Parts: sequence; C-alpha cells; structure tokens
Amino acid sequence: DAGVTQSPTHLIKTRGQQVTLRCSPKSGHDTVSWYQQALGQGPQFIFQYYEEEERQRGNFPDRFSGHQFPNYSSELNVNALLLGDSALYLCASSGRQGSNSPLHFGNGTRLTVT
Amino acid sequence: AQSVTQPDIHITVSEGASLELRCNYSYGATPYLFWYVQSPGQGLQLLLKYFSGDTLVQGIKGFEAEFKRSQSSFNLRKPSVHWSDAAEYFCAVAYQAGTALIFGKGTTLSVSS
Repeated sequence: DAGVTQSPTHLIKTRGQQVTLRCSPKSGHDTVSWYQQALGQGPQFIFQYYEEEERQRGNFPDRFSGHQFPNYSSELNVNALLLGDSALYLCASSGRQGSNSPLHFGNGTRLTVT
Repeated sequence: AQSVTQPDIHITVSEGASLELRCNYSYGATPYLFWYVQSPGQGLQLLLKYFSGDTLVQGIKGFEAEFKRSQSSFNLRKPSVHWSDAAEYFCAVAYQAGTALIFGKGTTLSVSS
C-alpha cells in the first residue's frame, strides 16, 4: 500500500520563477493538505483540498495556489519565487474531511530558491 | 490565536534512560492533539493522537503521552530511549477533526551512548 508520494524530491529555482510540486495521496484518502517547513521550524499550513476545491487556507499570499484532480492527486504552484520560499514542502493526505482520520505525510520536496 | 509551544529546542538523553518532551497549547476548548516524529530528510510520522477519552494514550515505538487539561499540556514520554529514537519531534493541535494542524517548532532529540 503506497503512502503519500511527492515529486520531485529536490528542486532549485531562481528568484522570480514559478514552480509546481506534485503529490499523490495515500490509497483511500481523498483530502490533501500542503505544508511549508522552513529550516529549523515546524510545518506551517498552506491549504487543504477536498473534492477538487480549496477548503481551508493558511496565512500565505496568493502567489501560492493549488489544484486537486479527480483522482485526488494535487499540485502546489508558487509564482514569483522569493528567497524566503526556500523550504521543505510537505504534502499530507487524510480520509474524508471532518473525520478523525489523521494526516499521513510524504517525504517532501526540498525547494531551494537562489 | 491558537499556538503550540515546545519549550525545549534540543534534548540529549543517554541510551536506556527515560524521556519526556514537553508540549503546551493555547486554545479555548479541548483540541485534537498529535505527536509526530521526523527523521533527517524524511516526512513526518504520526506517533500518537488524542481526540477524547482516556487521557493517557499509547503510540507506536513505545511512546505514550498524557493530556492534562488543567495544564494545557500533552507531554510525550518513553521509559527507555533507543539510539534510533534520535530525531525531531513535533507536537501539533487541530481545533476539529480533519482541519489544519498547528505545529510547535519542534524538539531535537539526541541520544548518547
């Protein structure tokens, strides 16, 4: 049973560029959340997708956007990259929204902005 | 605003010794509480969770945590630490099931031989 898979594992971009990160949820899960983890910090919630719609959003600018596909996989897009966007981006999936299903995390995508 | 505090940034414990990692939260009602562990270069693995009921919860890898409402705490414990327990530990809360987790800044655990 595959867990949460993320691609790519590492990425290097230049300031001002755009990036797309991808996530496939754990089998049986339909809700996907994205978190940003800066070095030495705990993860911070970006947003959550369920039924192909953004259901919750954290305190992140509009440069951060997402999408969920009918197969429940998800993408995180970041436009106009800043040096401060360098972080580990974690995708997490869970069961039906509102259930007690805990989050299962992928291994993350390490984004470096130069 | 909801917040999670992990007072200890770094703890070193001898192998075989007991461990307690502290977590305090700020929230009006009883939140959903979690402990996650993160090894270098890895994602987060759920150790245990508390939603309701018995305030002492058992998790994987021999960990347990106790919810104390009066102290707004959810401390993680292990009676005997193994070298493989060296990792980053995060406490997290959610105000309702399935909603965003708010994480603490983490505690780095080192295990000495």
